[in-house]
Amino acid sequence: EIVLTQSPGTLSLSPGERATLSCRASQSVSSGYLAWYQQRPGQAPRLLIYGASSRATGIPDRFSGSGSGTDFTLTISRLEPEDFAVYYCQQYGGSPLYTFGQGTKLEIK
Amino acid sequence: EVQLVQSGAEVKKPGESLKISCKGSGYRFNTFWIGWVRQMPGKGLEWMGIIYPGDSDTRYSPSFQGLVTISTDKSISTAYLQWSSLKASDTAIYYCARRRGFGDGFDFWGQGTMVTVSS
Repeated sequence: EIVLTQSPGTLSLSPGERATLSCRASQSVSSGYLAWYQQRPGQAPRLLIYGASSRATGIPDRFSGSGSGTDFTLTISRLEPEDFAVYYCQQYGGSPLYTFGQGTKLEIK
Repeated sequence: EVQLVQSGAEVKKPGESLKISCKGSGYRFNTFWIGWVRQMPGKGLEWMGIIYPGDSDTRYSPSFQGLVTISTDKSISTAYLQWSSLKASDTAIYYCARRRGFGDGFDFWGQGTMVTVSS
């Protein structure tokens, strides 16, 4: 079973700062099939990044994804107030077919 | 405009059965996989299973295999998640979501269905 571990659990930053979120897999993720989601309170998740580094439709370019194999990163270059939310990584193709990380809460400092 | 509209909140007793729905519109429903995701109160996201409406090919997470049934009625562009005997631990928000493409993430999500199981 592929386990995704996200760090840190909580990240406290101020608007305008840069955020770096990590997602580490227990085994190599097939072909970079790694996605990132944002979930604001009371809302459904929103796809930000797929294929480790491709931005989904309508996602601002301050969001970027990188990584391969077992180590992946979501970077938000300059935080806006609406970016404070919970972020999840997700892999596809392992066992089970899909797995989510436990989430990183990005909170206002 | 792509939309997934889920059925409304449910309050059930332990042992009761339940079937919730997810209706797709604005795209060719038969040609995109639909997944189901659980979110227990205050917790993270858990993938439950996924179905291809075109031929009803279904895959389950081992954690949910045998506990739920995923199905679809492509004639009305609707996917379903059902339980035959609910437990209190099934209390959660359940989301349906469309898979963008092979190896990609889920690009459109339903609004979620809150299921409460309590005696």
